[in-house]
Amino acid sequence: AQSVAQPEDQVNVAEGNPLTVKCTYSVSGNPYLFWYVQYPNRGLQFLLKYITGDNLVKGSYGFEAEFNKSQTSFHLKKPSALVSDSALYFCAVRPSGGSYIPTFGRGTSLIVHP
Amino acid sequence: GAGVSQSPSNKVTEKGKDVELRCDPISGHTALYWYRQSLGQGLEFLIYFQGNSAPDKSGLPSDRFSAERTGGSVSTLTIQRTQQEDSAVYLCASSSGIGAVSEQYFGPGTRLTVT
Repeated sequence: AQSVAQPEDQVNVAEGNPLTVKCTYSVSGNPYLFWYVQYPNRGLQFLLKYITGDNLVKGSYGFEAEFNKSQTSFHLKKPSALVSDSALYFCAVRPSGGSYIPTFGRGTSLIVHP
Repeated sequence: GAGVSQSPSNKVTEKGKDVELRCDPISGHTALYWYRQSLGQGLEFLIYFQGNSAPDKSGLPSDRFSAERTGGSVSTLTIQRTQQEDSAVYLCASSSGIGAVSEQYFGPGTRLTVT
């Protein structure tokens, strides 16, 4: 069975500071990993994905994520946070072979303070 | 182009009534997913359609829940004899299907309140 853990329900950061939203996963075989963002009263929007290759993946709005196979992690990062980045962030995983149904984490609320 | 649309955006119903939620996926997307999002609970998978294959219903919480997808496009999620614990936001997503590792495109959701 596959699973995703987002250990922090909430992350607080000051505007202009770097941010990290943590994600660890468990899956059989190689993973496909995704990050999505949800703004209030909206559906989820895709940010970035890891399929294979370079461990550092760059995505929308200046976000990036680093795949670490040994630590089974896929943390989301941004060098300089904006107030407008405040939202709910979801990590998702599915195996490279087998199920096409991703498993999502419980989400992390990112609050960027002015 | 047009994204995933869902209707209604909000639905208030009385306990015991049936409800139908609709999803219009992105044109050409062969994969369609339904999820339920409750406060603090993340996304709970309900059902997955891929092309003309039999749907994966493994996430449906009870036999009161059913879904169909007509013509490989529009999907309807039906909840019979609604209960208060069915109150949640129901999200639909589509993706381009098996041939590529495609991300999902989500609709805005239907907020269901059972009174």
